[in-house]
Amino acid sequence: EDQVTQSPEALRLQEGESSSLNCSYTVSGLRGLFWYRQDPGKGPEFLFTLYSAGEEKEKERLKATLTKKESFLHITAPKPEDSATYLCAVQGAGGGNKLTFGTGTQLKVEL
Amino acid sequence: DAGVIQSPRHEVTEMGQEVTLRCKPISGHDYLFWYRQTMMRGLELLIYFNNNVPIDDSGMPEDRFSAKMPNASFSTLKIQPSEPRDSAVYFCATDRDNEQFFGPGTRLTVL
Repeated sequence: EDQVTQSPEALRLQEGESSSLNCSYTVSGLRGLFWYRQDPGKGPEFLFTLYSAGEEKEKERLKATLTKKESFLHITAPKPEDSATYLCAVQGAGGGNKLTFGTGTQLKVEL
Repeated sequence: DAGVIQSPRHEVTEMGQEVTLRCKPISGHDYLFWYRQTMMRGLELLIYFNNNVPIDDSGMPEDRFSAKMPNASFSTLKIQPSEPRDSAVYFCATDRDNEQFFGPGTRLTVL
């Protein structure tokens, strides 16, 4: 069974204070690792897909990286508008298009 | 494009009543997913369809839950009879090129 564990559960940063969110996973045959952002009262919004170890993707202040056991979402010089819950999900070889999600990291960026 | 449309946005009902949640997918997306999100368990896949055919319903908690997709433009998730433990936010998502787009969700409260 595919499993995803995210840490920390919650993170509070000052504006401009860079940090990383962790996503550890176990999956039989990784087809893809996905990062989503979820704002309160809304559905998750797609950020990145990573397919193989060593791959990196960037979008504005966010950079996602992938190893064989975990993924990191690096946030550089965050702003208050980056405050949200960040969800990680995996897609395994035997699950078709099914995604297994972690419980997320709730990020708050303060002025 | 209007994105994934869900209705109702909020539903309050009493235990034992039938509840029907509705989803209009993004045109041209072949996959449709129903998820449930709670604080305790996070985002869980209930069932997904490909070209209107159910592919994996292993996440449907019990026989009280059923889902249909009669055509490419409409899907329903029905709970009968509803119970207080069904209280959650239910999301519909559709897929293009392995990128899932989520609707705004239906917040269900069963009293």
